[in-house]
Amino acid sequence: SQQGEEDPQALSIQEGENATMNCSYKTSINNLQWYRQNSGRGLVHLILIRSNEREKHSGRLRVTLDTSKKSSSLLITASRAADTASYFCAIPFTGANSKLTFGKGITLSVRP
Amino acid sequence: ETGVTQSPTHLIKTRGQQVTLRCSSQSGHNTVSWYQQALGQGPQFIFQYYREEENGRGNFPPRFSGLQFPNYSSELNVNALELDDSALYLCASSLQGAEEQYFGPGTRLTVT
Repeated sequence: SQQGEEDPQALSIQEGENATMNCSYKTSINNLQWYRQNSGRGLVHLILIRSNEREKHSGRLRVTLDTSKKSSSLLITASRAADTASYFCAIPFTGANSKLTFGKGITLSVRP
Repeated sequence: ETGVTQSPTHLIKTRGQQVTLRCSSQSGHNTVSWYQQALGQGPQFIFQYYREEENGRGNFPPRFSGLQFPNYSSELNVNALELDDSALYLCASSLQGAEEQYFGPGTRLTVT
């Protein structure tokens, strides 16, 4: 299965601290994506990193990808209470970029 | 807001009944994917529609079926509802083959 597995399952930090979330997977990939979900609503695309990229930034987000270790990490710097949400890594099915497999997600709580 | 809309927001059905969920894709997007998200889990790919034809299916039984219309909107139909069908149903629109998915807010289905 290409499904990513996120770690930790839950994370609680103080506002202003950094949050690091990890995703491991089993097969080769074309890209890996991170999504956010607030309170059981729709998913919001955060960032996509391709297999030939090692690091990518978007605002307060930094994503790394290590294809040799089959893992990715998402770093949120200077966290805010509004970052409280569930975060998922998503991997496309082989040869099908627009069909995604998701892990179980990480629940991030940012305390004011 | 992604421009993807779903209806209804919430729905309660009885075991054995049938249900139809609706999704309007973002303007210009020709591909719609449906996902099921059980409580505490990540979304699971049900199927995808492109040009009004099913274009890939996950591990879901035939009682899960769909339609796509010429305006690219879509329906998910579930027959003979079971208690385990209780979940958040998400649709996502994209251009065919595109990597990024745009998710709607979801329909919360409860089967009693």
